[in-house]
Amino acid sequence: DAGVIQSPRHEVTEMGQEVTLRCKPISGHNSLFWYRQTMMRGLELLIYFNNNVPIDDSGMPEDRFSAKMPNASFSTLKIQPSEPRDSAVYFCASTSEGARGYTFGSGTRLTVV
Amino acid sequence: TQLLEQSPQFLSIQEGENLTVYCNSSSVFSSLQWYRQEPGEGPVLLVTVVTGGEVKKLKRLTFQFGDARKDSSLHITAAQPGDTGLYLCAELPGNQFYFGTGTSLTVIP
Repeated sequence: DAGVIQSPRHEVTEMGQEVTLRCKPISGHNSLFWYRQTMMRGLELLIYFNNNVPIDDSGMPEDRFSAKMPNASFSTLKIQPSEPRDSAVYFCASTSEGARGYTFGSGTRLTVV
Repeated sequence: TQLLEQSPQFLSIQEGENLTVYCNSSSVFSSLQWYRQEPGEGPVLLVTVVTGGEVKKLKRLTFQFGDARKDSSLHITAAQPGDTGLYLCAELPGNQFYFGTGTSLTVIP
C-alpha cells in the first residue's frame, strides 16, 4: 500500500484565494481525519469522517473551512477565502477498527501571503 | 475533552546521552500510543501500551504506562541523531482523537 497520499505537498497562495487540499486514505480504512499543525497550537483535529460521513467538525475554525468525502478513497479540505493565519501544515490520517493506529500522510504545507 | 500534556516541550542533548519524556492526561487512558514525527513528514506510530504498569521496549526506546493509566513515559538510551524529531502521545483512536502537545527532541552529533 502506498500509504495516505496528500496533495499538494506545498501550496503558496494569496490572501482571499480558494485553497483545496486533497487526501487519499489507505484502502480499507473507514475513518479519515484532517489535522492542522502549527508551532503555537500543535496538532489540532479539524474534522473526522467515519464511513464517508462527517462525525465531528467542531474543530473546524470557521465557515471558511469545509471538508468533503464523496467516497471511501478521496477527501478534500477547502478554505475559501484563505487568510494568512491559515498558514500551517495540514495532515490527513486514516485508520480503521482493526488497524494499529493512525497512518498519516506527509502533509500539505500551506502558506497564505 | 481529554488534555494530554507532554514535557519537556523542547529538549536538546548530545549524542550518547539518555533522556526521558513524559505524557500526562487529565483522565484515564483506555490505551496510549506514542508517535515520532520527523521534519517534513507526518507522525509515525512507535508503540501502543494498553495495561497499567506495562513496559515495552523498542531497541533503545523504553515505553512505560503508569499504573493508573493517566501517564506514560518514553526513555531513550544512548540517543543518536536519528532520534531527532517530535514525539507525540495520543489515545488509541476510538472515542478520542487528540494528540499531546509534543516534545521536540534534538540530538546533537
